[in-house]
Amino acid sequence: DAKTTQPNSMESNEEEPVHLPCNHSTISGTDYIHWYRQLPSQGPEYVIHGLTSNVNNRMASLAIAEDRKSSTLILHRATLRDAAVYYCILPGKYNNNDMRFGAGTRLTVKP
Amino acid sequence: NAGVMQNPRHLVRRRGQEARLRCSPMKGHSHVYWYRQLPEEGLKFMVYLQKENIIDESGMPKERFSAEFPKEGPSILRIQQVVRGDSAAYFCASSPLMGIREQYFGPGTRLTVT
Repeated sequence: DAKTTQPNSMESNEEEPVHLPCNHSTISGTDYIHWYRQLPSQGPEYVIHGLTSNVNNRMASLAIAEDRKSSTLILHRATLRDAAVYYCILPGKYNNNDMRFGAGTRLTVKP
Repeated sequence: NAGVMQNPRHLVRRRGQEARLRCSPMKGHSHVYWYRQLPEEGLKFMVYLQKENIIDESGMPKERFSAEFPKEGPSILRIQQVVRGDSAAYFCASSPLMGIREQYFGPGTRLTVT
């Protein structure tokens, strides 16, 4: 299974942009990059996913490096509600819906 | 369209008892995944099921744990003879058969073994 590497923790100030990095140097050509987050005491929730091109949705943007060995999740204006553990995930061996979570990045947002 | 349902939300068992955790996937979803999260740790994959089939159980402990997803009814994660180390939050997620889709997670079952 392809692996991802993320910083254990990051801090941000409220209403400032946040860039959460992820390295996935062993990614294969058909692997989608998924991001999920887990708010305290809740189940994970989907944030965004992409293959090659940068992606935007109402929650975040995903910037994917040209060689696809890394990606960055961008929260344009962090709010206190964005404090969570963010997981960058590549699929497991069965299909692109078979995802294996790593340790993630714990994001702290300071008022 | 109801989301992924898990019950019970909280379960207390004494050591040696059995725990049965249920997961009803979203309507139309035929893939179910179970994860375990120990306190202050990340999610650990346990098992991946399709209807009536176990696709990957590489994350399941070899003993005492089993999972099923019958043709009718919810997916069940069963833990026999629970021990204190089984205390954790157990999450299930579902996804549809085709396409690149996100997994939809349930609220989890928090198992406490006393």
